[in-house]
Amino acid sequence: DVKVTQSSRYLVKRTGEKVFLECVQDMDHENMFWYRQDPGLGLRLIYFSYDVKMKEKGDIPEGYSVSREKKERFSLILESASTNQTSMYLCASSLYWSSGNTIYFGEGSWLTVV
Amino acid sequence: DQQVKQNSPSLSVQEGRISILNCDYTNSMFDYFLWYKKYPAEGPTFLISISSIKDKNEDGRFTVFLNKSAKHLSLHIVPSQPGDSAVYFCAAISNSGSARQLTFGSGTQLTVLP
Repeated sequence: DVKVTQSSRYLVKRTGEKVFLECVQDMDHENMFWYRQDPGLGLRLIYFSYDVKMKEKGDIPEGYSVSREKKERFSLILESASTNQTSMYLCASSLYWSSGNTIYFGEGSWLTVV
Repeated sequence: DQQVKQNSPSLSVQEGRISILNCDYTNSMFDYFLWYKKYPAEGPTFLISISSIKDKNEDGRFTVFLNKSAKHLSLHIVPSQPGDSAVYFCAAISNSGSARQLTFGSGTQLTVLP
């Protein structure tokens, strides 16, 4: 069974703090993603990684960075958290894309920045 | 510019009746479409997909219809059950592209009333 695990479900951080969100997948997937979900805005891609140490900016990368040192692990880093980064963060993974594929999501991490 | 639009933020349906969720897209390169279901405080889960070579795909109570000329797809749930109450996201991608290009709509909150 497919498993994408986000280590922190609920976090409260102060403005200016450095925040790490960790994600691990056990399917040997090449692709990993970080999205954020905000009401009325749907799922917006922050960063995408297609291989170890490889990354691409998504639609809203500003204020975020990522790290993928091992195939199974993809970390999202907020260098200096701000209140507008309060959101639900979703990690996902997939095989190399082809028809019939889907992406698999973790359960999400609720981040509140105060 | 939103390439995938779900114009109804919410929909209420009586239990046992049909739920119809709509999705429009603007990018004619999209040729594969997916629906995801999301409960509060959980990650989205894959529901059903359709390739542009088909105009209908069915899986139990869920059917997705694709009208390529109108750039419109819809998800039908028959009969609707209270457990179907969730946010539904449609997503689209070009199969010749990378997974990074998967584009989500803003979601529709479905409430099935007992």
